[in-house]
Amino acid sequence: EIVMTQSPATVSVSPGERATLTCRASQSVYSNLAWYQQKPGQAPRLLISGASTRATGIPARFSGSASGTEFTLTISSLQSEDSAVYYCQQYNKWPLTFGGGTKVEIK
Amino acid sequence: EVQLLESGGGLVQPGGSLRLSCAASGFTFSNYHMSWVRQAPGKGLEWVSAINGAGVTTYYADSVKGRFTISRDNSKNTLNLQLDSLRAEDTAVYYCAKRAFPNGGHFDTWGQGTLVTVSS
Repeated sequence: EIVMTQSPATVSVSPGERATLTCRASQSVYSNLAWYQQKPGQAPRLLISGASTRATGIPARFSGSASGTEFTLTISSLQSEDSAVYYCQQYNKWPLTFGGGTKVEIK
Repeated sequence: EVQLLESGGGLVQPGGSLRLSCAASGFTFSNYHMSWVRQAPGKGLEWVSAINGAGVTTYYADSVKGRFTISRDNSKNTLNLQLDSLRAEDTAVYYCAKRAFPNGGHFDTWGQGTLVTVSS
């Protein structure tokens, strides 16, 4: 099983500042990596697929990048509505696996 | 508009059974892999099971293998999950999710979820 490790568990950022979330895979998943945003009481929402492709309707302040088995989600200028838990997920190999999540708090 | 709507959740005793359903609309259901993903209270996301478009090939997480059965009825655009031998640790919101491409990919659409509570 491919283990996805997200860090930090919680990040607190002031509005307008940058938030950087990291996800590390225990083995190569190539670019088969997605990021999801989940707000309380809601279903997850796709942000990024293919490690760096924004989903339809996702603001440009969200970007994804990859370096080997390390993936990064960057929120360039944090807005209040970005307060949520963010999950990475690999879909390269069965079983599909998610990271434990990073909670983004607004300072 | 692509939509997924789960139903069938509820309270069940340990060792009991439940059947979840997911009604799909807005896309050619039979073309796409579908999955169930669950989330225990206050916890992260856990993929549970998947099925290919034809309903021939199935996949399960080790935690549910032998107890849960995924199926689909392409004539009714419905995905199902039969939950047997339920345990307290199966308590979670269960989401159905559509894969983005006919042969897999990320999850591009999620349902709103249905809560399963296993308790005596």
